[in-house]
Amino acid sequence: DTEVTQTPKHLVMGMTNKKSLKCEQHMGHRAMYWYKQKAKKPPELMFVYSYEKLSINESVPSRFSPECPNSSLLNLHLHALQPEDSALYLCASSQDIAGAGEQYFGPGTRLTVT
Amino acid sequence: GQNIDQPTEMTATEGAIVQINCTYQTSGFNGLFWYQQHAGEAPTFLSYNVLDGLEEKGRFSSFLSRSKGYSYLLLKELQMKDSASYLCAVSDQTGANNLFFGTGTRLTVIP
Repeated sequence: DTEVTQTPKHLVMGMTNKKSLKCEQHMGHRAMYWYKQKAKKPPELMFVYSYEKLSINESVPSRFSPECPNSSLLNLHLHALQPEDSALYLCASSQDIAGAGEQYFGPGTRLTVT
Repeated sequence: GQNIDQPTEMTATEGAIVQINCTYQTSGFNGLFWYQQHAGEAPTFLSYNVLDGLEEKGRFSSFLSRSKGYSYLLLKELQMKDSASYLCAVSDQTGANNLFFGTGTRLTVIP
């Protein structure tokens, strides 16, 4: 199984809502990532988890809150978002963070904030 | 810091060969990746280079010169389905397998 799954596929939320994005992989990877991608732009790294611990937070606003309940799951909790947060949110995983390794991407969640 | 440059758009004819260039300047280097991304979909891995030279995989080849900070992706026998964005990404040794992406090259294959 070389698949990273993400739910939901699409999400529309108001600025006062609280929602969560979910990501799952069963490849035994110990590193998981959240990226944000705006239209016609490259993915931008948000968070890196290594062995279920937050390794990197690329100066992301606190209205985005990541969580790694176990080695297969990665969540991104959303609260009080702004319309400019509308984007494709991609989850990825790799074997680990030591050394370069191919990152496998999920299909993404397309988020619209109204 | 990181600086990764690619052409924004390219057009090529079905059956032809196209070369997409990428130049980079990074504070650390731990390998260069090429990803393909169709509109509205996730990036999919194409190739990885960490040593100088050419890596060939079917219709796709990727070349790296670390001394020049330069890579290219070569696509042969172009097919219509190859129309997509091609992202050059560098793994930064100073980070934790962080991938820094270029802006991507949008390739359009025409009949």
